[in-house]
Amino acid sequence: DTEVTQTPKHLVMGMTNKKSLKCEQHMGHRAMYWYKQKAKKPPELMFVYSYEKLSINESVPSRFSPECPNSSLLNLHLHALQPEDSALYLCASSPINGQKSPRPLHGYTFGSGTRLTVV
Amino acid sequence: AQSVTQLGSHVSVSEGALVLLRCNYSSSVPPYLFWYVQYPNQGLQLLLKYTSAATLVKGINGFEAEFKKSETSFHLTKPSAHMSDAAEYFCAVSDRRRTNAGKSTFGDGTTLTVKP
Repeated sequence: DTEVTQTPKHLVMGMTNKKSLKCEQHMGHRAMYWYKQKAKKPPELMFVYSYEKLSINESVPSRFSPECPNSSLLNLHLHALQPEDSALYLCASSPINGQKSPRPLHGYTFGSGTRLTVV
Repeated sequence: AQSVTQLGSHVSVSEGALVLLRCNYSSSVPPYLFWYVQYPNQGLQLLLKYTSAATLVKGINGFEAEFKKSETSFHLTKPSAHMSDAAEYFCAVSDRRRTNAGKSTFGDGTTLTVKP
């Protein structure tokens, strides 16, 4: 199994809703990532988890809350989002080379993304 | 800080023609370099990577790229374009240093159009 699976594929939520995005991989990768991509723009890093611990938070607003319950799963909890948060949310994983820090010399394996619309 | 610049936000070629997508990088240490492809409403797929072995790197779907340190470039080529190559292409750079904890920085992307 060489895939990263994201659910749901599409999500429409109101600004007062709470929802979660889910990501699962079974490649044995110990680094997992959340990226946000606006239309016609490159992906922007949000969070990095290595060995199930948060290693990078790119100053993301607290209305986005990541969670890594085990080495195969990555969640992104959403609460009180704004319309400008509408975007494609991409999950990715990569192997870790070394004991403490992920170095994605192998590149990322991306999921197909969740298209989020905030109304 | 590391960065990549993709020259040309749109490239149009005829089917069967050479594809050349340009990427220049800036990094204080030799970087890892990658090309990804993104089809509409999909995630990104890794095409190829440079990690300091051979400077000419072959990837999937007939693409290849050459790392040129003197020019700080990593241009993507394919000898003969196919209609199915129409997509968005992203060049990305990662720092080898552990302090960057796996972070990749992406270029702005190049939209490749293939004309019949």
